[in-house]
Amino acid sequence: NAGVTQTPKFQVLKTGQSMTLQCAQDMNHEYMSWYRQDPGMGLRLIHYSVGAGITDQGEVPNGYNVSRSTTEDFPLRLLSAAPSQTSVYFCATSQRESTDTQYFGPGTRLTVL
Amino acid sequence: AQSVTQPDIHITVSEGASLELRCNYSYGATPYLFWYVQSPGQGLQLLLKYFSGDTLVQGIKGFEAEFKRSQSSFNLRKPSVHWSDAAEYFCVYGSSNTGKLIFGQGTTLQVKP
Repeated sequence: NAGVTQTPKFQVLKTGQSMTLQCAQDMNHEYMSWYRQDPGMGLRLIHYSVGAGITDQGEVPNGYNVSRSTTEDFPLRLLSAAPSQTSVYFCATSQRESTDTQYFGPGTRLTVL
Repeated sequence: AQSVTQPDIHITVSEGASLELRCNYSYGATPYLFWYVQSPGQGLQLLLKYFSGDTLVQGIKGFEAEFKRSQSSFNLRKPSVHWSDAAEYFCVYGSSNTGKLIFGQGTTLQVKP
């Protein structure tokens, strides 16, 4: 089992470009989420999903879009990248709920110039 | 506003010394509380969690934490620190009602030889 995988590991964008961060899991988990990690701020929830076809906003959703067409995949889309979106992005999954043990991917380091 | 506070941004301890990392939360509901650890360049891993029952919980790697409702605290402890414990530690609050997790700012632990 691969667990939680994220691609790419590193990405550099120019302001205004769009891109998709990929997250995939092979644990048949219902709950998936995206966080961004910035120095001194811990992890902040961007979007989450409690199952295929269901998504909801987290703490910092602006500028990001998600969809959940399958149980396995939960891509995060940056619509028009801004320097403020420079961060490390983590995908996490759990069996059913946010209060179950979270399994984190290795992260994607994104720089927006 | 809902918050989780880790008062110590950075802690340095000598190898073999005891460790206590502090965490306070500001919610009234019965919380789910977690400690996660992040080694440099890695994703996060669950150390332990509390949601009911015995207020002293044991985790992996010799860590334990005590839930004190009267103090709204969930401090993490280890009797003897090893060099491999150097990492960033996050206290996390969860609620089954909201479907979201709230992370503290994190405490970076440095271990001196």
